[in-house]
Amino acid sequence: DAGVIQSPRHEVTEMGQEVTLRCKPISGHDYLFWYRQTMMRGLELLIYFNNNVPIDDSGMPEDRFSAKMPNASFSTLKIQPSEPRDSAVYFCASRERGDRTDTQYFGPGTRLTVL
Amino acid sequence: AQKITQTQPGMFVQEKEAVTLDCTYDTSDQSYGLFWYKQPSSGEMIFLIYQGSYDEQNATEGRYSLNFQKARKSANLVISASQLGDSAMYFCAMREVLPMDSNYQLIWGAGTKLIIKP
Repeated sequence: DAGVIQSPRHEVTEMGQEVTLRCKPISGHDYLFWYRQTMMRGLELLIYFNNNVPIDDSGMPEDRFSAKMPNASFSTLKIQPSEPRDSAVYFCASRERGDRTDTQYFGPGTRLTVL
Repeated sequence: AQKITQTQPGMFVQEKEAVTLDCTYDTSDQSYGLFWYKQPSSGEMIFLIYQGSYDEQNATEGRYSLNFQKARKSANLVISASQLGDSAMYFCAMREVLPMDSNYQLIWGAGTKLIIKP
């Protein structure tokens, strides 16, 4: 079975540009999480969805960040406008409600560089 | 207060030796879960092993085992017969029940960088 898929794997953009990161969770998983990882702050949870509904977006840094999940197999994280301090690795993860361990499975990440 | 503590920022270990990576946690919940993830230099986060607070046996997955000492609130990862491919960052995480609802969030440690020497 395919794991979590993220695209693009690498993104280099200029300050002020819009950036869209994409994620396809594991089929059958009903929770989806967006994380950001930096050297300074480690791994931070940005937002998570349950059955396509955003449950907790308290980790979203500011209004420049938005996330959507239009269906069970696709989610986007958008940054508009981007800033150099947004440079980080962005991970998407998913988990299955019926899994007693609640294990989150991560995608390969998108390495974002904002110049 | 920090809930997950990984006291070893970095470790060097000789190939084929066993490795123990430390993790201590703090929670007042009776029901919780502990996870270890591996992040190689390529960047992906790979789930290794899980231990539930009510699990009586220490979890094992191949060369990985979790030394769970509930009273001490420690959940150390043990890697037997280390290999060069084990060189990576290792993160300990705890599943914590959110107060607002029955959903869960993972609390992460800062990680330990493990380097296996040939």
